Amino acid sequence: GAVVSQHPSWVICKSGTSVKIECRSLDFQATTMFWYRQFPKQSLMLMATSNEGSKATYEQGVEKDKFLINHASLTLSTLTVTSAHPEDSSFYICSARVAAGTEAFFGQGTRLTVV
Amino acid sequence: SQQGEEDPQALSIQEGENATMNCSYKTSINNLQWYRQNSGRGLVHLILIRSNEREKHSGRLRVTLDTSKKSSSLLITASRAADTASYFCAPISGNTPLVFGKGTRLSVIA
Repeated sequence: GAVVSQHPSWVICKSGTSVKIECRSLDFQATTMFWYRQFPKQSLMLMATSNEGSKATYEQGVEKDKFLINHASLTLSTLTVTSAHPEDSSFYICSARVAAGTEAFFGQGTRLTVV
Repeated sequence: SQQGEEDPQALSIQEGENATMNCSYKTSINNLQWYRQNSGRGLVHLILIRSNEREKHSGRLRVTLDTSKKSSSLLITASRAADTASYFCAPISGNTPLVFGKGTRLSVIA
């Protein structure tokens, strides 16, 4: 199957700093990428949908100024958690798909810990 | 977008047994997808079944779809310890994003 690489796989940062997570589709062009967060023993919560070259669509309750998403190319999307707080500590997962209705391919996730 | 609801929430079986999990959804779909998540990892796509298909096989996986009942089932035959994971269904219509329910946590005991 297609490969989505997410980096870093884990990061620890201090409160108040910003953290950038990258999501790359390695062997296909992704028209759409999705960002999720997951708390322990819970399901994935969709945060936003990003389409290449346009602004991301955020789900209700997700602060767009805090979670900055950039989808600059068909193979790269980034999520920046700005002014991180301990409650932002979570598992963040990206996914990408080629076209609407097709299967999605997921990155391996990023464990963010804010101290 | 709509999320599927998986049932049961947890399932524990012995190695070699079959595991069946179900998914229900609310509105019409173009296709339905099943994914697996191992603990602390991203999701892995398992199988996609289109709305005009009733059954699909992939290795030890068998998926059925009943659009009249708005339900799907995933059967894993001859389960192995490595099948231990959470399983999610994702009903898809149009350009909707994948939204996930709570999933089924499968434990296969060796």
